[in-house]
Amino acid sequence: DQQVKQNSPSLSVQEGRISILNCDYTNSMFDYFLWYKKYPAEGPTFLISISSIKDKNEDGRFTVFLNKSAKHLSLHIVPSQPGDSAVYFCAATWEGFGNEKLTFGTGTRLTIIP
Amino acid sequence: DAMVIQNPRYQVTQFGKPVTLSCSQTLNHNVMYWYQQKSSQAPKLLFHYYDKDFNNEADTPDNFQSRRPNTSFCFLDIRSPGLGDAAMYLCATRTSGRRQDEQFFGPGTRLTVL
Repeated sequence: DQQVKQNSPSLSVQEGRISILNCDYTNSMFDYFLWYKKYPAEGPTFLISISSIKDKNEDGRFTVFLNKSAKHLSLHIVPSQPGDSAVYFCAATWEGFGNEKLTFGTGTRLTIIP
Repeated sequence: DAMVIQNPRYQVTQFGKPVTLSCSQTLNHNVMYWYQQKSSQAPKLLFHYYDKDFNNEADTPDNFQSRRPNTSFCFLDIRSPGLGDAAMYLCATRTSGRRQDEQFFGPGTRLTVL
């Protein structure tokens, strides 16, 4: 039962254009969402997050949008740069005492074409 | 630099031959996690330690065991590896009470089972 889904295994975008990565979730308990970025031979690193009390969070070139009614979030990267080429994982959790877990999606491999 | 270190980075074992993967951290985090990630799949939580308290996921096979002799070290023991256990194993750490975006990952150990 995949509670966090990334339906696009890969995405190619021209340098300078917008990259949009999508993520859907099924568990209504999730109230905090994260994006991790993973380069080959490295562990995932935190990129940006959003709480369910917001519908948008922005950090430089990265913006995450949350649509709670649709149980959908997206990561926008503008403008895309070659260094953004990586695998991006969406993750979700519920923020509460005693819950220490993240649920991950399967990842989207983003390739930025120079 | 404070970090999460995993050894070895690559491990080859034979079918049924026990193997131990190690994780160490200099972050002094009290929560440590072990994930299994197979190709094109989401990282799957196997278990985590909250201080010395071991928390096993319900669907983690008995073949997988873990030890945490102190705050800094955590081991993953696979008692009788099968071909289906070939995967990337990720260790992560975090301080409880902090947000999940402060979960730090090691680079992973890629396990091959012959």
